[in-house]
Amino acid sequence: GQNIDQPTEMTATEGAIVQINCTYQTSGFNGLFWYQQHAGEAPTFLSYNVLDGLEEKGRFSSFLSRSKGYSYLLLKELQMKDSASYLCAVRDNDYKLSFGAGTTVTVRA
Amino acid sequence: DAGVTQSPTHLIKTRGQHVTLRCSPISGHKSVSWYQQVLGQGPQFIFQYYEKEERGRGNFPDRFSARQFPNYSSELNVNALLLGDSALYLCASSLNYEQYFGPGTRLTVT
Repeated sequence: GQNIDQPTEMTATEGAIVQINCTYQTSGFNGLFWYQQHAGEAPTFLSYNVLDGLEEKGRFSSFLSRSKGYSYLLLKELQMKDSASYLCAVRDNDYKLSFGAGTTVTVRA
Repeated sequence: DAGVTQSPTHLIKTRGQHVTLRCSPISGHKSVSWYQQVLGQGPQFIFQYYEKEERGRGNFPDRFSARQFPNYSSELNVNALLLGDSALYLCASSLNYEQYFGPGTRLTVT
């Protein structure tokens, strides 16, 4: 099975940087995903890491260390619209996605 | 192109009843997955279908079943509904590694 841990809540100021950590213990690994979910809406894909290292996509970056079972999502130049839940998900060798409980990020003016 | 569509949007059922939720994937996507998301938690995997075959099943009781049709649309069926089945049910379709989620069906069991 999968055990995925991420902080419950984080608060940051508009224009700042926030780093959301995710640690996982899995019986198989075939990629790590980050999703953004606004209240009452479906999750939307942000990033995918399968190899160690940093993937950058605009204001969002994601890092993976497979040996440490660790990933982080970095949100730069925070905007009010970034207030949402951020979900870390691990895919196993059977292509099944297991999600963490999500980190609620609140951006304050 | 249309995204993943789900119907109905909202549904209210009584304990013991049966429910069928429907999902149409993005055109060209052959894989459909179903998730249950309870308020305040991440989505929990229920089923995955690929080319009409069940590819994976999560830790859900046999009251939950699903199928995929030749046009790759899918149905999720839940029998003998319990209060604890109240949740947002999400369908996701995929072509490669990225899953695209539909808007979900909000099921309330009273």
